[in-house]
Amino acid sequence: NAGVMQNPRHLVRRRGQEARLRCSPMKGHSHVYWYRQLPEEGLKFMVYLQKENIIDESGMPKERFSAEFPKEGPSILRIQQVVRGDSAAYFCASSQGTASYNEQFFGPGTRLTVL
Amino acid sequence: GIQVEQSPPDLILQEGANSTLRCNFSDSVNNLQWFHQNPWGQLINLFYIPSGTKQNGRLSATTVATERYSLLYISSSQTTDSGVYFCAVSGSYQLTFGKGTKLSVIP
Repeated sequence: NAGVMQNPRHLVRRRGQEARLRCSPMKGHSHVYWYRQLPEEGLKFMVYLQKENIIDESGMPKERFSAEFPKEGPSILRIQQVVRGDSAAYFCASSQGTASYNEQFFGPGTRLTVL
Repeated sequence: GIQVEQSPPDLILQEGANSTLRCNFSDSVNNLQWFHQNPWGQLINLFYIPSGTKQNGRLSATTVATERYSLLYISSSQTTDSGVYFCAVSGSYQLTFGKGTKLSVIP
């Protein structure tokens, strides 16, 4: 059973470029979450999606960040016009049902470096 | 929102020693998970334990939901146990993480 897959594992961008991070949930999971880990900080919730729906994006910066989970294909976290402060590890998690009563499983993360 | 406090923040152990990590949370929760972040940055699921006690090899965990705390026990520690241990809780669906306990196991 494949776990949560994320790619790329490492991504380097120059200021002003776009970053696209991909996440494929575990088989049978239809709930996806994105978290960000800034250097020397804990993990913070960004967004919760189900297929074709954003359920909660309260943790996502209002500008430059967007997320989607289309009917087909992986979930995408998109960061436009990246700045140095976006450098962080971005983790995706998935659960079988709503995470209120279901375990979340995490991918290996994408480490974004903005030069 | 829910507050999560972990203690101790740092812990250095001799190989073979036992340890107890604590997680206090400020409100009732439906979900509590323990993770190990290894030196390569990967988050490894250890336990899903909103209440009760579970054991997995040298690791065990206990959550007392009515008193709002959870404990992670590591016995006979090994150098591969080094890393950061996170407790995360949820009252709805978003996990709120503590700041972690950084464990260093020395030979």
